[in-house]
Amino acid sequence: RKEVEQDPGPFNVPEGATVAFNCTYSNSASQSFFWYRQDCRKEPKLLMSVYSSGNEDGRFTAQLNRASQYISLLIRDSKLSDSATYLCVNNQGGKLIFGQGTELSVKP
Amino acid sequence: DADVTQTPRNRITKTGKRIMLECSQTKGHDRMYWYRQDPGLGLRLIYYSFDVKDINKGEISDGYSVSRQAQAKFSLSLESAIPNQTALYFCATSDADIIGGYTFGSGTRLTVV
Repeated sequence: RKEVEQDPGPFNVPEGATVAFNCTYSNSASQSFFWYRQDCRKEPKLLMSVYSSGNEDGRFTAQLNRASQYISLLIRDSKLSDSATYLCVNNQGGKLIFGQGTELSVKP
Repeated sequence: DADVTQTPRNRITKTGKRIMLECSQTKGHDRMYWYRQDPGLGLRLIYYSFDVKDINKGEISDGYSVSRQAQAKFSLSLESAIPNQTALYFCATSDADIIGGYTFGSGTRLTVV
């Protein structure tokens, strides 16, 4: 079983749609969590950190459920520019462990 | 200048050759990392270093070695390159708390023929 698992997609959605990604992790000792965005063959960039209480940044909302060991990312009012791969990431002892990524394609 | 600089950006090399990928950072971070990315597999950790005198193996260290020459520099070597080491390689840095996640370099696209 992979330490961090994501549905690879692709998710194809129209502009303006709401889309949600889920991610599960196997190591209950994971200390912190992040969502990264990666554009085609470029470096990953931090989208947002994920806090136990949930957090929101504009159109993006992240949730963490430690009991069930899953993390979610909700994107509202999708834009064409949101098309990218979204990486779910756990911090385990100072090392970031990445999921394989979920591809999102937003269409006009 | 970029916070994390990787050189070269692209490299084609032959099987059996030794190659070094270099990484330098201006963030002042103690922690540095090397990852490789393959289609469908995400990023996998090769080696990491929490300070200048610290070197640790990651998930897939076989066939690789590293050198932490200074706080700002962390190089990755392939002693004898093989075709399945063809991948996109990323260097990253972080502070001790990883509050802001990692900062990545732009990557090195390596092809072993």
